[in-house]
Amino acid sequence: DSGVTQTPKHLITATGQRVTLRCSPRSGDLSVYWYQQSLDQGLQFLIQYYNGEERAKGNILERFSAQQFPDLHSELNLSSLELGDSALYFCASAKYLGTDNYGYTFGSGTRLTVV
Amino acid sequence: AQSVTQLGSHVSVSEGALVLLRCNYSSSVPPYLFWYVQYPNQGLQLLLKYTTGATLVKGINGFEAEFKKSETSFHLTKPSAHMSDAAEYFCAVSATGANNLFFGTGTRLTVIP
Repeated sequence: DSGVTQTPKHLITATGQRVTLRCSPRSGDLSVYWYQQSLDQGLQFLIQYYNGEERAKGNILERFSAQQFPDLHSELNLSSLELGDSALYFCASAKYLGTDNYGYTFGSGTRLTVV
Repeated sequence: AQSVTQLGSHVSVSEGALVLLRCNYSSSVPPYLFWYVQYPNQGLQLLLKYTTGATLVKGINGFEAEFKKSETSFHLTKPSAHMSDAAEYFCAVSATGANNLFFGTGTRLTVIP
């Protein structure tokens, strides 16, 4: 158990629908990162939050959004889902900003299947 | 900009043989380099990382990697493969102080008994 908790583990939904993925970071970690792992795109950084504020954005679609709450858990919202959004979505947490000293701790992911 | 190339999407070794997984990076600034391992249906686990200092980095499970600036490489090695090493391995790079990692496409390691 890495200490980063992602729910749900699996999600099957239809095209056009909206889903919310949840991440609870490791105790004491202020940074939360979201990554998407798909067969054609590999592992891609989506977005980062630090202590409730958005700090960095990667290849995140406009249909996707995220937020980090005061208790530091984060949610990734995916809307108007398309077949190509099927992927494994990882959350990672780190104590501070940046990758300098601690690296990340990854959760076990949420596997999203859009049918 | 940062990027990583992992040579060989699949590598097979015999149990007890040397493991060598190749990673070359591109970075316009001094890089931080990482190796992660992913077991089936699990998240990514950090094996080792290079930030500054000693260029030979030792990680968990007997793995090590050497940062070679002249070759822009960060290859992962293990002297003797074990069946439990079968997994997918990802090399990643970030810029100093950056917030996100750029991952390679991964190398699936198979260990043959």
